[in-house]
Amino acid sequence: NAGVTQTPKFQVLKTGQSMTLQCAQDMNHNSMYWYRQDPGMGLRLIYYSASEGTTDKGEVPNGYNVSRLNKREFSLRLESAAPSQTSVYFCATATGWGTYYGYTFGSGTRLTVV
Amino acid sequence: KQEVTQIPAALSVPEGENLVLNCSFTDSAIYNLQWFRQDPGKGLTSLLLIQSSQREQTSGRLNASLDKSSGRSTLYIAASQPGDSATYLCALSIMDSNYQLIWGAGTKLIIKP
Repeated sequence: NAGVTQTPKFQVLKTGQSMTLQCAQDMNHNSMYWYRQDPGMGLRLIYYSASEGTTDKGEVPNGYNVSRLNKREFSLRLESAAPSQTSVYFCATATGWGTYYGYTFGSGTRLTVV
Repeated sequence: KQEVTQIPAALSVPEGENLVLNCSFTDSAIYNLQWFRQDPGKGLTSLLLIQSSQREQTSGRLNASLDKSSGRSTLYIAASQPGDSATYLCALSIMDSNYQLIWGAGTKLIIKP
């Protein structure tokens, strides 16, 4: 009963390094999302994937790329990390219809860029 | 542009009190509104989802209301307990947005024993 699994849980990067945040779900949901959470602010959408094979930009996509490898997996890549990307990153899945559309979140990845 | 505001940013109350958390939004064209709970260092847990056609939802000691005309939602917690201490976030899904969520910054709640 894993739900949404994110790896790693913690990461420290040096400016300019690259890394990929992994997200996997076992809920058979079509939609997957990457959000970032910064202190004192609400979560902001980075990228989302409405279904396997499709991805779209959210509110803050600059500096990130994503891959929807298959229905289960949605990864977020930082090609050249910057201190402004220090944040907590959450992956989420969603399913439903019409106005009933519910979300399940992973436990987050806390990323520090020094 | 839809904006979501949660006031107060922090709240501390004695155990046993009933309390209300507030969430306001600027555009009534929403699909639904959800309340989440976030514990330190952990993910987000969905508490209640109110569809746009509904006025309220209840789960145990929690009751969430939605008034689209005034752009407000409240989360009522009855008989608060120390285990209720967490950050509570509201988020709404807007129409024509592929169900993206727009988030408030949250209210940090501390229940004192």
